[in-house]
Amino acid sequence: SQQGEEDPQALSIQEGENATMNCSYKTSINNLQWYRQNSGRGLVHLILIRSNEREKHSGRLRVTLDTSKKSSSLLITASRAADTASYFCATDGAGGTSYGKLTFGQGTILTVHP
Amino acid sequence: DTAVSQTPKYLVTQMGNDKSIKCEQNLGHDTMYWYKQDSKKFLKIMFSYNNKELIINETVPNRFSPKSPDKAHLNLHINSLELGDSAVYFCASSPRQGSSPLHFGNGTRLTVT
Repeated sequence: SQQGEEDPQALSIQEGENATMNCSYKTSINNLQWYRQNSGRGLVHLILIRSNEREKHSGRLRVTLDTSKKSSSLLITASRAADTASYFCATDGAGGTSYGKLTFGQGTILTVHP
Repeated sequence: DTAVSQTPKYLVTQMGNDKSIKCEQNLGHDTMYWYKQDSKKFLKIMFSYNNKELIINETVPNRFSPKSPDKAHLNLHINSLELGDSAVYFCASSPRQGSSPLHFGNGTRLTVT
C-alpha cells in the first residue's frame, strides 16, 4: 500500500508567492525526505527530517514534521519559475528494518508562473 | 561527471522481447537500487543491492533479474516484456545499507508495444 500521500496533487502559483505541499503517511518512520523531480529527470534530494525533529530549514525550504499526525509539510518561500517540478515525500521506516527502502508518495506537481 | 548514470535513456521494444538496462555510480556508494515509476508518477522500489549482495527484493515478477557485477554497477534484465512493464526505471545509490538520502539517475523510459 502507498505510504506517503501528497496534497495537493497540483499547485499553480505566481513567481514570488509561497508554495506549501503536504504529505501524510501511515506507519512509524526513521525519517522523512523530500525530493524534487524536474520533467524527464531523476529525483534530487532536497531535505531530510528525522523522526525526533519538528522543523528544518534549508535555504528557501522549510519542512515540518508532526509524527502524532503522521504528516509533513514542505514550504517553498519566494518561489521562482525554476522551482517548477514535481515534489515527492518519501519515508524511511523505523526500527532499523528499512535497509534504506524509501516509500514514496505520488507527488505534487508545482507550476510557478513568471 | 554524472554521479549515477543509466543507459539507455529511452528503450522502445515489442512484447516478448528481452532487454537490459545498465546503471553505474561513481560515488563510491555501497548500496544501489532499482525503482519503477508508473504513468501516475508513483515510485516503487524493486530491488536493492549492498556491496553486490541482494538485500531487498520486492514483489517483482521473476522476469526481472538484477545483476551486480561489482558495487558500482547494478543492471536490470527483463525477460518476455509485457505491455504493463512500460514505465520509467530509476537507478539510485546511497552510501551504505540503510542510509539516506538516495542519489538517482535520470531514468530509462521503457515503452513496450
